[in-house]
Amino acid sequence: DAGVIQSPRHEVTEMGQEVTLRCKPISGHDYLFWYRQTMMRGLELLIYFNNNVPIDDSGMPEDRFSAKMPNASFSTLKIQPSEPRDSAVYFCASSGTGYNTDTQYFGPGTRLTVL
Amino acid sequence: AQSVTQPDIHITVSEGASLELRCNYSYGATPYLFWYVQSPGQGLQLLLKYFSGDTLVQGIKGFEAEFKRSQSSFNLRKPSVHWSDAAEYFCAVGSGGSYIPTFGRGTSLIVHP
Repeated sequence: DAGVIQSPRHEVTEMGQEVTLRCKPISGHDYLFWYRQTMMRGLELLIYFNNNVPIDDSGMPEDRFSAKMPNASFSTLKIQPSEPRDSAVYFCASSGTGYNTDTQYFGPGTRLTVL
Repeated sequence: AQSVTQPDIHITVSEGASLELRCNYSYGATPYLFWYVQSPGQGLQLLLKYFSGDTLVQGIKGFEAEFKRSQSSFNLRKPSVHWSDAAEYFCAVGSGGSYIPTFGRGTSLIVHP
C-alpha cells in the first residue's frame, strides 16, 4: 500500500493567489481528514469526510477555505485568495472502518508558504 | 468533550538514557489512546494504541505506553533512546463512538550524543 499521498509537497505562492492541495487516501478507507499544523496553534482539524460526504467543517478558518471529495480516492483543499497567515503545513489523513476506525494514517504533508 | 494534555513542550535526553513522555487525558468513559511520532519534514506515524485489555501496550521502535485509569494518563516510555528518536511526539485520545481523535500539542524530543 502506498499510504496517503499528498501533492504538492511544497508550494510557494503570492498573496491573493489560489492554492489547491491534493490528497489520495489509502484505498478502502472511509474517512478523510484535513489538518493544518503551525507552531502557534499546533495540529488543527479543518474538515473531515465520511464516504465522500463532508461531516464537520467547523475547523475551516474562513470562507476562503473550501474542501471537496468528488470520489473515494481523491480530495482537494482550496484556499482562495491565499494570505500570508495561511502559511503552514497541511496534512491529509485517512482512516478505515470497524475496529481501527480511530487510527489515522497521515500523508507527508504540503508545506505552504504565502508571500 | 475529550481533551489531551502533554505538559512537556520539550524534553532533552542523552543517547542511551531512558525516556518517559507524559500524557494526560480527559474523557468520561474508557478512551482510545494513541501515540504518534512526527520526524522532521514528515507526517505523523502511529507508534502504538490502546483500545482495551492489557494496560501496557507495546509499539514500534521499542516504545511502550501504560494506561493508568486512576491517573488519567498514558505515558510513553523507552528504556534506551537512540539519536534517531529525536522527533515530535503526539498523544491523542478518541472515544470509540467518535472517529475523530483529539491530539495534544506535542512534545519535542531532543537527543544529545
